[in-house]
Amino acid sequence: EAGVAQSPRYKIIEKRQSVAFWCNPISGHATLYWYQQILGQGPKLLIQFQNNGVVDDSQLPKDRFSAERLKGVDSTLKIQPAKLEDSAVYLCASSLELGAEEKLFFGSGTQLSVL
Amino acid sequence: AQSVAQPEDQVNVAEGNPLTVKCTYSVSGNPYLFWYVQYPNRGLQFLLKYITGDNLVKGSYGFEAEFNKSQTSFHLKKPSALVSDSALYFCAVSGGGNKLTFGTGTQLKVEL
Repeated sequence: EAGVAQSPRYKIIEKRQSVAFWCNPISGHATLYWYQQILGQGPKLLIQFQNNGVVDDSQLPKDRFSAERLKGVDSTLKIQPAKLEDSAVYLCASSLELGAEEKLFFGSGTQLSVL
Repeated sequence: AQSVAQPEDQVNVAEGNPLTVKCTYSVSGNPYLFWYVQYPNRGLQFLLKYITGDNLVKGSYGFEAEFNKSQTSFHLKKPSALVSDSALYFCAVSGGGNKLTFGTGTQLKVEL
């Protein structure tokens, strides 16, 4: 079974530039998540989709971050403009259904460095 | 608000010895508790979960975890550690809102 695919693997940009990350979840998984993992911290949920609708984006900095999941499959996360504190690993995850008991399948992440 | 505490940044254990990685949680209502493991340059992998029922949960790679409601704890255990178990371990809790909150992680180092 193919896992969650993410690209790019690494990205280095300067502050105030824009960047986009892509995620392809496991086939058939209805729920998709974007997490931000800053070095030394646990992953923090940014946004959660159920099919192509947003379930929770309460922790997404909406002045600079945006995400979409067109057609309920692939998703992109964008940062515009980036700040130094956005340096982190951005993890995409998916689960079969939306539920507190569901286990998540994570991609390898995109490591972002903002200089 | 729900939260998870992992009081140890690092745990060192000799191969063959038992290991314990500690986790305590805070959540309204019934907790759904998880352990994930992260190997270098890889995403998190699910180890085990507690939803309801038996307080001792068995998971992948010989790991198990014990749910203790009175102490609000969910410690990860393994009877005999392997060098290959060395990784970063995250405890997580999900309440009724389907939102998973992770702890800060515990680095497990198993030495020969």
